[in-house]
Amino acid sequence: DAKTTQPPSMDCAEGRAANLPCNHSTISGNEYVYWYRQIHSQGPQYIIHGLKNNETNEMASLIITEDRKSSTLILPHATLRDTAVYYCIVRVPRNTDKLIFGTGTRLQVFP
Amino acid sequence: GAVVSQHPSRVICKSGTSVKIECRSLDFQATTMFWYRQFPKQSLMLMATSNEGSKATYEQGVEKDKFLINHASLTLSTLTVTSAHPEDSSFYICSARLTRAMNTEAFFGQGTRLTVV
Repeated sequence: DAKTTQPPSMDCAEGRAANLPCNHSTISGNEYVYWYRQIHSQGPQYIIHGLKNNETNEMASLIITEDRKSSTLILPHATLRDTAVYYCIVRVPRNTDKLIFGTGTRLQVFP
Repeated sequence: GAVVSQHPSRVICKSGTSVKIECRSLDFQATTMFWYRQFPKQSLMLMATSNEGSKATYEQGVEKDKFLINHASLTLSTLTVTSAHPEDSSFYICSARLTRAMNTEAFFGQGTRLTVV
């Protein structure tokens, strides 16, 4: 499995964009990048995923570098409710469906 | 999105007793569900993969006789913590996926906080 590296914590002011980086330098050609977040004492929530093109949905944008060795999750206008741990996961390409979580980035949005 | 429901959300039990946690996919069928455990300030650790109609696959270091998994239907998987001890106190989370395709997201239950006293 390709490993991911994320900063342990980040701060962001409410209303500003939160840019969360993720390194996955050993990603292989058929692996997707997934982002989940976990608000305190809840189950993880899916945010977005992508292969090589940039993706956008109602929650966030995902920017993947051309060499696919890193990506950035962008929350365009962070709110206090976005305070959570954000996990960047590269999907296992084998015929198993399990997600392996790393340590993630703890995002603190402040007023 | 699809909904995965866990029950109970919180349970306290005495040391030595067994506790059953249910995981249901409410609006879709899941041939495969996953069970995770999370200790305070740590990430989720995958415990086992629950397969409908067959035996669960356990991750290395997880005792299959202590954490019994039953996936009797396409919408229900149960995790039973047998002979619970205080060190089993943790946040248990289940997950299910819509299909086996690579690019589908997983949906998670709200978690069950187990406290063994």
